[in-house]
Amino acid sequence: NAGVTQTPKFQVLKTGQSMTLQCAQDMNHEYMSWYRQDPGMGLRLIHYSVGAGITDQGEVPNGYNVSRSTTEDFPLRLLSAAPSQTSVYFCASSYSSPRGGYTFGSGTRLTVV
Amino acid sequence: AQKVTQAQTEISVVEKEDVTLDCVYETRDTTYYLFWYKQPPSGELVFLIRRNSFDEQNEISGRYSWNFQKSTSSFNFTITASQVVDSAVYFCALSEWTYSGGGADGLTFGKGTHLIIQP
Repeated sequence: NAGVTQTPKFQVLKTGQSMTLQCAQDMNHEYMSWYRQDPGMGLRLIHYSVGAGITDQGEVPNGYNVSRSTTEDFPLRLLSAAPSQTSVYFCASSYSSPRGGYTFGSGTRLTVV
Repeated sequence: AQKVTQAQTEISVVEKEDVTLDCVYETRDTTYYLFWYKQPPSGELVFLIRRNSFDEQNEISGRYSWNFQKSTSSFNFTITASQVVDSAVYFCALSEWTYSGGGADGLTFGKGTHLIIQP
């Protein structure tokens, strides 16, 4: 099915561990972005990309790295997980024009203990 | 910088009542897009509507309607004859266009309104 696929759906990490959240889209969208959702905070932008090889920081980038080697994939890396990174993470993609809006993945629930 | 305010943290109504969710936004841009998303208890984000800054026409889709007023920077969402299945968290979001290189830097979300429809 066309859309945005996030893996894993759930993950528990120990403080200091690293991991990569995967995001893939098959709609040939130029733009991709990562958000985190915390209780009472809405969704906040972590990093975004306007195309392969181009990434930039959003509102809350600290502790996260991204890269975009292909149009389809936009992985989010946690280099040394901290309890403050316990959150639900959403990946989204969109065209570089407003015609389609933003399509969100189903989310990854991450717990750092 | 852009900002979206959803002042209502939680609303509880009885089924079949009408309910309006408020959204007020701030932006420096003249070209921008406003969105509403629904997040049911299952957690996914469901797209409801997108409106651009040049189109102030109200929109109705079944029991849902949206009122966009640039004069008050508001984009309110009304559910008519609410149903239990409408229970969810609803987010209003904004995407600037001119200053952000065509919406490249994503969406700014409000904190959400938790809507509870009691049977």
